[in-house]
Parts: sequence; C-alpha cells; structure tokens
Amino acid sequence: DQQVKQNSPSLSVQEGRISILNCDYTNSMFDYFLWYKKYPAEGPTFLISISSIKDKNEDGRFTVFLNKSAKHLSLHIVPSQPGDSAVYFCAASLNYGQNFVFGPGTRLSVLP
Amino acid sequence: DAGITQSPRHKVTETGTPVTLRCHQTENHRYMYWYRQDPGHGLRLIHYSYGVKDTDKGEVSDGYSVSRSKTEDFLLTLESATSSQTSVYFCAITSVGREISYNEQFFGPGTRLTVL
Repeated sequence: DQQVKQNSPSLSVQEGRISILNCDYTNSMFDYFLWYKKYPAEGPTFLISISSIKDKNEDGRFTVFLNKSAKHLSLHIVPSQPGDSAVYFCAASLNYGQNFVFGPGTRLSVLP
Repeated sequence: DAGITQSPRHKVTETGTPVTLRCHQTENHRYMYWYRQDPGHGLRLIHYSYGVKDTDKGEVSDGYSVSRSKTEDFLLTLESATSSQTSVYFCAITSVGREISYNEQFFGPGTRLTVL
C-alpha cells in the first residue's frame, strides 16, 4: 500500500496559467515533505520543501501548501512555463530527512 | 551538483548474469541510497548505507545486494539478473538542505538497465 500517493498520472496546462499538482499521504508521522522535478534521462532534482510545522512555503514561481489534517500537500506553479514540463515527484520523510518515501509521480505538460 | 556519478549509464544483459552498478560521490557524504524507478511506482528504495560497511534494506531489496568499502563508493549488485529488474536505477546522497535542520536528497544521473 503506497504511503505517498499522486493520483493524477498526468496534467496538461496552458503556458502562463497555474499548474496544481497534488499529493496525499497516509502516515501522520511524516514531518518533512519535498517536491522533485525530473527531466528524461536525468536524475530527479530538488524543487521545494516544507516541514510539518508550516502550512506554506514559497520559492519564486513555486509554492507548496500543506494541509496536515487532510494529509494533503500541493505544489502550485505560477505562471507555468514550457520548461516546467517534467515529471514531478512528491516525497515524505520521517526524522527530518533521513529516509524518504516517494509518490509515483505526475507528468506535467505545459503547452505553448 | 552533489558530485554524484553512476556507471555504467546504460547496460543490457541477459537473464541469470551478475551485474554491478557503481555510485561514486566526491563530497564525503555519509548516507547513500539506491533507488529504482518504474512507471506507476515512482522511486522505490532498494538499499541504503549510513557509513562504510553499514547498510540496510529498503522497500524492494529482494534480489539485490550492496557494499560500501569506501565512503565514496556504493555498489549495487544483482547476483542473477531477472527481467523484472529491468529499470532505471538512481543513486542518491543525503545532505543538509536549505533549512539547516532538514536534509535533502541529491540524485545521480541514473543507470538504465535492461535484462533480456
């Protein structure tokens, strides 16, 4: 049973609009959450993170929201750009980032 | 860039043959990890190491072994490769992130393994 779920395998968005990627988790003990971006033939790269003591973290065009009661987090990209087209993985960790559990990923396509 | 390299980058092998993948890091990180990436499953942890000669199993460790005789190298071995081990394999290290109290994982470029 997956502890971290990304229920949308793919998402298409028009350039300039908002992209919202969702992630749900089952373990209420997770204390740290991250988003990774992956281009084809490359390793995943860190995008943004949030600790369980916060409900929002912003970095430029990227904002992550955490709703602990719903065990849900989301990544907002505003405005979306064609270069954002990639697979996005949500990850969760216990103990502030020793071992991580990854979701299955969502493929984002930003259309020009 | 966390100074992580993986070799080989691509490999095709036959069922039943042994295969060893190498992960090399240059920044003296204590924790190293091996993941496999498969469609619909994301990244799944195979084994990890928390120091020289200290390793532990991850979620999908069956059929894999690891060794870490030096801080900089973490080897993943498939003793007898099977078609179900066809995958993309990523090595990762853990390092202090942008928030000092929390770690982040940095990944190597991946090894694409095909078992025929």
